[in-house]
Amino acid sequence: DQQVKQNSPSLSVQEGRISILNCDYTNSMFDYFLWYKKYPAEGPTFLISISSIKDKNEDGRFTVFLNKSAKHLSLHIVPSQPGDSAVYFCAASAQTGANNLFFGTGTRLTVIP
Amino acid sequence: NAGVTQTPKFRILKIGQSMTLQCTQDMNHNYMYWYRQDPGMGLKLIYYSVGAGITDKGEVPNGYNVSRSTTEDFPLRLELAAPSQTSVYFCASSYPSTGDGYTFGSGTRLTVV
Repeated sequence: DQQVKQNSPSLSVQEGRISILNCDYTNSMFDYFLWYKKYPAEGPTFLISISSIKDKNEDGRFTVFLNKSAKHLSLHIVPSQPGDSAVYFCAASAQTGANNLFFGTGTRLTVIP
Repeated sequence: NAGVTQTPKFRILKIGQSMTLQCTQDMNHNYMYWYRQDPGMGLKLIYYSVGAGITDKGEVPNGYNVSRSTTEDFPLRLELAAPSQTSVYFCASSYPSTGDGYTFGSGTRLTVV
């Protein structure tokens, strides 16, 4: 039972263009959402988060958008850089700092120079 | 600042053998977690701990045991290894209330043959 879904296993984008990674969730109790980035042979690293009281959060080139009615969030990377090539995981929890994050299956982003 | 350190990085076990995956953090985080990631899947929570002496089961605890005798250490024990436990294991830690995500170790790739 995958409560957090990333339906695109991979995405290729030209350097300098926008990358849009999508995530859907099914549990209406989720109120905190995070994106993690993972390079090969490393653990995931926290990238950006958003609380359900907001619909947008920005951090430099990274912006996360949340559409609660659609149970959908997206990560925008502008402009995309080759160093952004990694696997991106969406995660959700039912309360801030909760004991369990539910992770999506990941999207592998390749930024082509 | 080492963050979260996991050992070993790789291990091959025979069916029925036992082993302990080590995890140490130096950030004085109260919360610690063990996740596993199977190919093409998201990370799933095995066990977590909210402080020394306190542990609880996650989504997929069967076949594993944990202990938390100190704030720093959270070892994961496999008693009778099975092929279904072939996976990449990630340890993570966090503060319970800041909500800015977990710090993950670099993972242990375990193969049971």
